[in-house]
Amino acid sequence: AQSVSQHNHHVILSEAASLELGCNYSYGGTVNLFWYVQYPGQHLQLLLKYFSGDPLVKGIKGFEAEFIKSKFSFNLRKPSVQWSDTAEYFCAVNAVEYGNKLVFGAGTILRVKS
Amino acid sequence: DVKVTQSSRYLVKRTGEKVFLECVQDMDHENMFWYRQDPGLGLRLIYFSYDVKMKEKGDIPEGYSVSREKKERFSLILESASTNQTSMYLCASGQGSSYNSPLHFGNGTRLTVT
Repeated sequence: AQSVSQHNHHVILSEAASLELGCNYSYGGTVNLFWYVQYPGQHLQLLLKYFSGDPLVKGIKGFEAEFIKSKFSFNLRKPSVQWSDTAEYFCAVNAVEYGNKLVFGAGTILRVKS
Repeated sequence: DVKVTQSSRYLVKRTGEKVFLECVQDMDHENMFWYRQDPGLGLRLIYFSYDVKMKEKGDIPEGYSVSREKKERFSLILESASTNQTSMYLCASGQGSSYNSPLHFGNGTRLTVT
C-alpha cells in the first residue's frame, strides 16, 4: 500500500527564516504529488502540485517543491517565511495503480514567530 | 469558485446513535470523498464515490457507510456511533480522475461522540 511520510510534526521558525518540509512516499510507480495547506480556521486548499515535466514546481505564496524521483521525495520549500504562513501542511500522493485514492501524510504544523 | 458545503460544523452525539453527515458540492464533480482528520495521523480516507450510486472503500471504512443518490450530494453514515469515531470529518470533491485533479475541501464537521 502507498504511504506518505512527513518528517516533522511541528516546526517553529522566526520570520524571514528559510523553510523546508520533508515528504517521502513509498510507491515506486508513476505518481502525482500535492501539497495542501490548512490555515487556522480554514478549509484545506491546494498549495502546489506535480504531475510531470520540470521537477521543480512553483505554487502560491512563494512556495515551491522539488520532486526527486530517485529519493521518492517531494520536499516543500520557501526562502523566507512570513507570520501568515502559520498553518498545517500536508503532503499527498496519488498513484495511477491505486485509482482515485489520494493518500495524505500526517501533516506538519508550522508556527512562524513574528 | 468551487464550493463544498458540509451541513454541520459541530455535532455532539451519544454512543449508539445513528449519525448522518451531509456534503454538497456545486461544481458537477464526478468524484467525492470522505476523510477523517486526527492529530498526528493526517487525513485518512473512509469512502469515496466516482459516480452516482457508486462507492469504494477507502483505508478505514469500518463502522461507516455512504450514500450517493445525486451527483452533488455525498452522505457519510455512522450506523452506531462510538467514542473512537470522535474526529474531524472532511468532505472533498474533484473533477475527473484525482490523479491529476486537485481536491476541493469543505470546512469540516467536528463530531464528538459521548
